[in-house]
Amino acid sequence: QQPVQSPQAVILREGEDAVINCSSSKALYSVHWYRQKHGEAPVFLMILLKGGEQKGHEKISASFNEKKQQSSLYLTASQLSYSGTYFCGTEDLSNFGNEKLTFGTGTRLTIIP
Amino acid sequence: NAGVMQNPRHLVRRRGQEARLRCSPMKGHSHVYWYRQLPEEGLKFMVYLQKENIIDESGMPKERFSAEFPKEGPSILRIQQVVRGDSAAYFCASSPWDRGLNQPQHFGDGTRLSIL
Repeated sequence: QQPVQSPQAVILREGEDAVINCSSSKALYSVHWYRQKHGEAPVFLMILLKGGEQKGHEKISASFNEKKQQSSLYLTASQLSYSGTYFCGTEDLSNFGNEKLTFGTGTRLTIIP
Repeated sequence: NAGVMQNPRHLVRRRGQEARLRCSPMKGHSHVYWYRQLPEEGLKFMVYLQKENIIDESGMPKERFSAEFPKEGPSILRIQQVVRGDSAAYFCASSPWDRGLNQPQHFGDGTRLSIL
């Protein structure tokens, strides 16, 4: 059962902020975030481990609430280059050590000038 | 560029033929993962391999699909007797051995397989 992401799609003007959520029905060890532009490979953004940590990458940061089995990706002051589809990939505690990622349903982000 | 290399980028096959997709992991990476992506959908895990070992093939169809990662050379995803439903983008990812550091998976540019 794959993680559910919300929203499915969002359109922002350049400079606006966005939050993308990833929710799993399973206990998680880690959450990985990727961005994929049309016709290209997914590009790694960041990993979050169980422990509720928050990490940052330029103007993109994320949090992980292991109790709620959720992660959120925060994009601030969005740039045109942020456009793409964002995927979370989760590593279940039940599969720990397997390193298999289960990817979410995806969120399509469009930034307009 | 020492990234994950996949070839071919595009592959066209007729129904019933065989498709061979190749993946060379990043230098120093010993773990390889194959994913399938249908248009407008997410990535679906197929198989996870280490050198000469299949670790998890739970996402790979039992028939017609096979994967290997030999001691020397690239990882190969092989699809026999292809059908129209096999049309998809197939991505390979690799990560290094040191599991303790929770290393990310780095993706190749994928192979777009089209079945006529």
